[in-house]
Amino acid sequence: GNSVTQMEGPVTLSEEAFLTINCTYTATGYPSLFWYVQYPGEGLQLLLKATKADDKGSNKGFEATYRKETTSFHLEKGSVQVSDSAVYFCAHVPHSGGGADGLTFGKGTHLIIQP
Amino acid sequence: GAGVSQSPSNKVTEKGKDVELRCDPISGHTALYWYRQSLGQGLEFLIYFQGNSAPDKSGLPSDRFSAERTGGSVSTLTIQRTQQEDSAVYLCASTVGLAVTDTQYFGPGTRLTVL
Repeated sequence: GNSVTQMEGPVTLSEEAFLTINCTYTATGYPSLFWYVQYPGEGLQLLLKATKADDKGSNKGFEATYRKETTSFHLEKGSVQVSDSAVYFCAHVPHSGGGADGLTFGKGTHLIIQP
Repeated sequence: GAGVSQSPSNKVTEKGKDVELRCDPISGHTALYWYRQSLGQGLEFLIYFQGNSAPDKSGLPSDRFSAERTGGSVSTLTIQRTQQEDSAVYLCASTVGLAVTDTQYFGPGTRLTVL
């Protein structure tokens, strides 16, 4: 079946530290991969995405590369800020050929950045 | 332009009552999705609409749940005879097209509490 596995945290880092949040998935075929972020008191918003193998998604200093061989889509940022404190969700949607479909989400990783 | 809106933002109801949750997608968006976010289950996909049609209703948790979309726009999610386990945040999202690579834009959610 389809699933997404990510570290749940909380992950606590100091400002300017390097961030990695691991995400692995199981899916039929080659899905599109997404990272969504939920800031405190706000709704889910797309952070970045990659739609085919070896694609790199990037936004706001965050990056993730679609690794088909390891079925992974790890999120990285070189220097985190306090404002990056949020819950991060890895997600995928399968390329089933049937058009639109729902996202399968991981459990979410709560990131806390301390000044 | 306006984003996805949902109403009400909060709903408190008594066990056994019926509730209706409303979603207004971004104008012109073709597909609409419903999700549920709860502490125990994380983010679960419930159902999606291509236009006014829902190709697959198997994600709905039970036959107490139903959803419809009219005029290719507004959607309502109805829960009959609510139970305490229905307490969650119900999220709606929409996409401009039907490609699985399209970004899903989320609304702020409706927090449902069943007493």
